[in-house]
Amino acid sequence: QVRLQESGPGLVKPSQTLSLTCTVSGGSISRGGYFWSWIRQHPGKGLEWIGYIYDSGSTYYNPSLKSRGTISLDTSKNQFSLKLSSVTAADTAFYYCAREGGHSYLDIWGQGTMVTVSS
Amino acid sequence: DIQMTQSPSTLSASVGDRVTITCRASQTISTWLAWYQQKPGKAPKLLIYKASSLESGVPSRFSGSGSGTEFTLTISSLQPEDFATYYCQHYNSYPYTFGQGTKLEIK
Repeated sequence: QVRLQESGPGLVKPSQTLSLTCTVSGGSISRGGYFWSWIRQHPGKGLEWIGYIYDSGSTYYNPSLKSRGTISLDTSKNQFSLKLSSVTAADTAFYYCAREGGHSYLDIWGQGTMVTVSS
Repeated sequence: DIQMTQSPSTLSASVGDRVTITCRASQTISTWLAWYQQKPGKAPKLLIYKASSLESGVPSRFSGSGSGTEFTLTISSLQPEDFATYYCQHYNSYPYTFGQGTKLEIK
């Protein structure tokens, strides 16, 4: 059974870079056929899809991030990561990692991690 | 981006009721639509994909229908564990977007 688990600092200062990692267990991240995604949810609000990385390393980001996002893959650790630069209070949110079956729905989600941007 | 609009935003119902939530897309998305259930403090959980396909392990009281721009999620007989927030999401093209959510409350 594939499981995803997010990790990273819960507090980031404004203008710095938010860094989160998603560890995949129960299956290989490089098995192929899956897109590994990040989604966020502002407190009490709806869901915003951030972007994905495919096992080939190809990525796509939501234009709403204004080129601040980078998603990378570490197959040796069975992990993928999100970096979001130049953060502001508007980036305070719950961040989820999830598995997508390739131009498809998000079938497995991590439990989520809260990141607060504050000085 | 394709905009997804859900109605109602809040729905009050009782155990045993049949309820329907509507999701409208700003442009046609065929049947590339998923529904998720989210409980407080938890991650969303996939219920329905391809508009009407039930995810494995999801109770059969949940059903989805629709195509093009209008979709519905129906719960045939509400159970206490169904009180949660429900989101639709299209996967027709990137960037994927979600509806604003429908909070299902106990009447």
